[in-house]
Order: sequence, then C-alpha cells, then structure tokens
Amino acid sequence: GEQVEQLPSSLIVQEGASVLINCSYTDSASVYFPWYKQEPGKRLQFIIDIRSNMERKQTQRLTLLFDKKTKHLSLHITATQPGDSAIYFCSASRGSSGSWQLIFGSGTQLTVMP
Amino acid sequence: DAAVTQKPRYLIKMKGQEAEMKCIPEKGHTAVFWYQQKQSKELKFLIYFQNQQPLDQIDMVKERFSAVCPSSSLCSLGIRTCEAEDSALYLCSSSLGEQYFGPGTRLTVL
Repeated sequence: GEQVEQLPSSLIVQEGASVLINCSYTDSASVYFPWYKQEPGKRLQFIIDIRSNMERKQTQRLTLLFDKKTKHLSLHITATQPGDSAIYFCSASRGSSGSWQLIFGSGTQLTVMP
Repeated sequence: DAAVTQKPRYLIKMKGQEAEMKCIPEKGHTAVFWYQQKQSKELKFLIYFQNQQPLDQIDMVKERFSAVCPSSSLCSLGIRTCEAEDSALYLCSSSLGEQYFGPGTRLTVL
C-alpha cells in the first residue's frame, strides 16, 4: 500500500525565517495531496492541497511544490510566526479530493521562536 | 459553525473492556473516516464510510473493532476487547470534498 515519508521530523527556527518540509510517496495511483496543521490540543486543520495535474500552488505564506516524476512534494513556509508552531502533516490519497482515505506522513514538529 | 463533533472527548478503559466512541459528521457530508493517532504523530487510517456504507478498512478493524453509521448524522467506532496498544487519539473526519476533522476521542487503556 501507499507509504508517505516526511522529513524533517522537527524544525526549530527564529521568527521570520523560511522553512521547507519534504514528503515523498510510493503509490503512483495517488492523485491528491492535502496538508494539515495540528496545534497542541486543537483539531487537524487543512492548510493547502495540490492535485497531481499541478506543479505548484501558493496561498499567502505557503507554497506547495509537486513533482510527479520523483513522487515528491515540498511545502515552503515564509516569514514564519510563533503562531505557525504546530505539527505539519502531508498526506496522499487515490481520490481526486478528500472523499477517499488519506495516508499520512509522520509529521514535522515546527517550533518558531519569537 | 458546523463542525465535526466527537464524544466522549476522553475515555478510560481497563484491558479487556469494550469501548465505544461517537462521531457526528458535518451536515451534508457523505463520507466519514476514522483515523488513529499515537504519540501525537503516526496518523493511521482505520475505516471509511460513504453514504453510511463501509467501503474500506484495515485488517485490525475487521478483527477487533466494530464501526457503523446508523444514520447520516451519527457514526460510531467500537473496540470489542481493549488492549494497551489501543491507547490513542481516535479522529473522525467527514468530507464532501476536503476532509474536516473532529477534536478526537482520547482512549487510555489501563
């Protein structure tokens, strides 16, 4: 079945820095890749997604890059703030939207120091 | 605001006991998913319902869990005989497109 690898497992940066989180997947049938953020004690929150017919998606301070050939994704967060501190998860799905099960990476714990 | 609701938020069971947790999906959402999260990471898919019918589940669920959606507004996940390894946060999500997650039920098995 699908396996999703996510690196790094943790990141500690100063406020204002940019960070890069990488994910790779194994199943060529995966076509939808949503990312979620989980703050302590809060529910998983959708932050950005990309489909396999796209190479890049950007929203505010988030840029998501997708390489179908290498089965690799990377999430770039710019101008980080302490409020960005959370665990970030990438995921992969065979469904074209969220109406199919998600296979998650192991998460990246991001800590942004003021 | 409509949101996925899960009850109870916390559940403590002794090894060998039965456990049950409930999920109220967002109104109008036809797909419901259950995931297990251990150690604040390790999110694992468990089972998936579409229009109240189970469409896919992992072997562990088939063997030791029971899951139903008796209505479009209620789903439940049960563990027939709790084991220590079942201690985890159980997350429910619902979807009409993107998945929205509930706050989870934290199960502790002693």
